[in-house]
Amino acid sequence: DAGITQSPRHKVTETGTPVTLRCHQTENHRYMYWYRQDPGHGLRLIHYSYGVKDTDKGEVSDGYSVSRSKTEDFLLTLESATSSQTSVYFCAISGEGEGDSYEQYFGPGTRLTVT
Amino acid sequence: LAKTTQPISMDSYEGQEVNITCSHNNIATNDYITWYQQFPSQGPRFIIQGYKTKVTNEVASLFIPADRKSSTLSLPRVSLSDTAVYYCLLTGGGNKLTFGTGTQLKVEL
Repeated sequence: DAGITQSPRHKVTETGTPVTLRCHQTENHRYMYWYRQDPGHGLRLIHYSYGVKDTDKGEVSDGYSVSRSKTEDFLLTLESATSSQTSVYFCAISGEGEGDSYEQYFGPGTRLTVT
Repeated sequence: LAKTTQPISMDSYEGQEVNITCSHNNIATNDYITWYQQFPSQGPRFIIQGYKTKVTNEVASLFIPADRKSSTLSLPRVSLSDTAVYYCLLTGGGNKLTFGTGTQLKVEL
C-alpha cells in the first residue's frame, strides 16, 4: 500500500470552530487531493495540489482552504466548521501516469462530526 | 466532464462471475476507463484501467467495445470478500477524478 496517512482519524467538533486535517505521504508523489464522501454522493473533490504551494479548487471547495508547504504534507482547513461539513474526508496521492490518466492512492479517511 | 452510468446494486453468489457494465456515451478521445473498488470504512482502491479492447490483471478483466461507449468490469469467481462498491470513472485530460455513486456488489454464500 502507498505510504499515506491521515490525522486525526476521528474528530468531533462544534459548529464555528476551526478544524485542520492533515495528510502525510512518504511516496514523494507530486499530486495530492482532498475528497469528501457523503451517503448518496460518492466522493467529491474539494481541493487538489499539483506541487508545493500549487493548489486548485475542486467541485465542492466552498468553506475549505488548503495548504502545501512541503511535498509530503497537504493540509485541509475548515475555517469555521458547519454541520454540513460532517463527512468522511479522504486524502489521495498520485504521481505521473502514462498518457493523461493517473492512478490515485487513497488514505484511510478521517471521520469528522460537527455538532 | 463526461458522465458514467452504472447499476446501483448487484447481487451474486460465491464462485460466480460478475459483470458490471458502465455506460459512457460521451467519452472523449483522451479518456481512459478506470475502475475503483471501495470497502466500507476504507478509501477507494484502483482495480484496472483500459483504453480499448480488453485488459486483464490478477484481479479483474475490463472489456471495452470498439465504440468505447460502454465498458464491462468482469470479476471471476467472486467471494464474500469482493462485496464492495465499484466505481467506473473516465480519466483523461488531467488527473481530476469524478466519482459517481458506484455499484454496490453484494456476494452471498
